[in-house]
Amino acid sequence: DGGITQSPKYLFRKEGQNVTLSCEQNLNHDAMYWYRQDPGQGLRLIYYSQIVNDFQKGDIAEGYSVSREKKESFPLTVTSAQKNPTAFYLCASKTSDSYNEQFFGPGTRLTVL
Amino acid sequence: AQSVTQLGSHVSVSEGALVLLRCNYSSSVPPYLFWYVQYPNQGLQLLLKYTTGATLVKGINGFEAEFKKSETSFHLTKPSAHMSDAAEYFCAVRGPNSGNTPLVFGKGTRLSVIA
Repeated sequence: DGGITQSPKYLFRKEGQNVTLSCEQNLNHDAMYWYRQDPGQGLRLIYYSQIVNDFQKGDIAEGYSVSREKKESFPLTVTSAQKNPTAFYLCASKTSDSYNEQFFGPGTRLTVL
Repeated sequence: AQSVTQLGSHVSVSEGALVLLRCNYSSSVPPYLFWYVQYPNQGLQLLLKYTTGATLVKGINGFEAEFKKSETSFHLTKPSAHMSDAAEYFCAVRGPNSGNTPLVFGKGTRLSVIA
């Protein structure tokens, strides 16, 4: 089945440690996105990538980094510079046509202790 | 630039009652509009979308929405609420010819259904 995989579902890390969240898609989508979700704040865009080897900062990129070496993969690293990393992280992808929707993965809940 | 306002962060309805979730957008050109649903600890699932053509759009789970250009609105409705409709709902917008630029989301409306 085609879809978006995010792993793990739950992730715990100690404060000060970098952590990488995985996002893989087998939909052959060109664009991929990372969002952060906190209660009452909706979805906030962290980074997005429209093609391989290219990505753009979103609204809250500070403390995060990404790479896009393969079309299928768009990992997100939460660095120790991110002051409040505990949140629900959602990955999405879409085809190149403007009228098409974004497809979302199941999310990863990161808790920093 | 586009923006979305969802009126009401929390809406509560009785089972069997009408569901109305409000969404207003701001865009200099007719946009593409989307409604998503999110169940707890899950990703977002597309309910319906408006791109061009018929302004009344039907989606999954009995939901529908109407694009009203004069009111810059895209409200989501369902004639009869079911307990399984309890979730968070997000309205989103993208400008036409905007390729892969990200959707702009509203802050969401949490729907509670009372038995």
